[in-house]
Amino acid sequence: DAKTTQPTSMDCAEGRAANLPCNHSTISGNEYVYWYRQIHSQGPQYIIHGLKNNETNEMASLIITEDRKSSTLILPHATLRDTAVYYCIVANPGNQFYFGTGTSLTVIP
Amino acid sequence: SAVISQKPSRDICQRGTSLTIQCQVDSQVTMMFWYRQQPGQSLTLIATANQGSEATYESGFVIDKFPISRPNLTFSTLTVSNMSPEDSSIYLCSTGGGGTNTEAFFGQGTRLTVV
Repeated sequence: DAKTTQPTSMDCAEGRAANLPCNHSTISGNEYVYWYRQIHSQGPQYIIHGLKNNETNEMASLIITEDRKSSTLILPHATLRDTAVYYCIVANPGNQFYFGTGTSLTVIP
Repeated sequence: SAVISQKPSRDICQRGTSLTIQCQVDSQVTMMFWYRQQPGQSLTLIATANQGSEATYESGFVIDKFPISRPNLTFSTLTVSNMSPEDSSIYLCSTGGGGTNTEAFFGQGTRLTVV
């Protein structure tokens, strides 16, 4: 079963930062937090992942709380092409993913 | 990174028939997985495709309905057997990450419609 809880949907104005929260209060010490997104029922696309430190790449930033029970994905300057369903997943590296319902992000012009 | 090719990308099948979906990875990977995504839903794990041994199925999925092969470290197949309209879904394969700094990759999916 999925170990994450996310809001069902969110809106964000184009050009503004999109902050997507995720709760994972039962995360274990070896599990990473992964973020993927799915656009128009294509295969999920990797965004970012982390263990306990904050991470940043060309797509997004990942902020993980000190107790690791929650995290936030930040898209710094949302564009219309960022409209998608965003999935937060906790898993051991190499292991299977149990997807939750995800957050449907709509970027508004 | 790994590139995953799935075939077919879509198909329309008659009820009672079977369809085999192929998943080819461009590099050797230890772990491969199969997922189902029903219309408007999230992804549900079907099974772990184990190389050289029987697949490991999740609760609610059985080998007779979804036989899986994994003959080597770059290839796997999923068969949807004796199909009914309820099997209409997108089926996706993925790799597992190869280590702590490797993400999982997903194929583009096979969109199956059973009529």
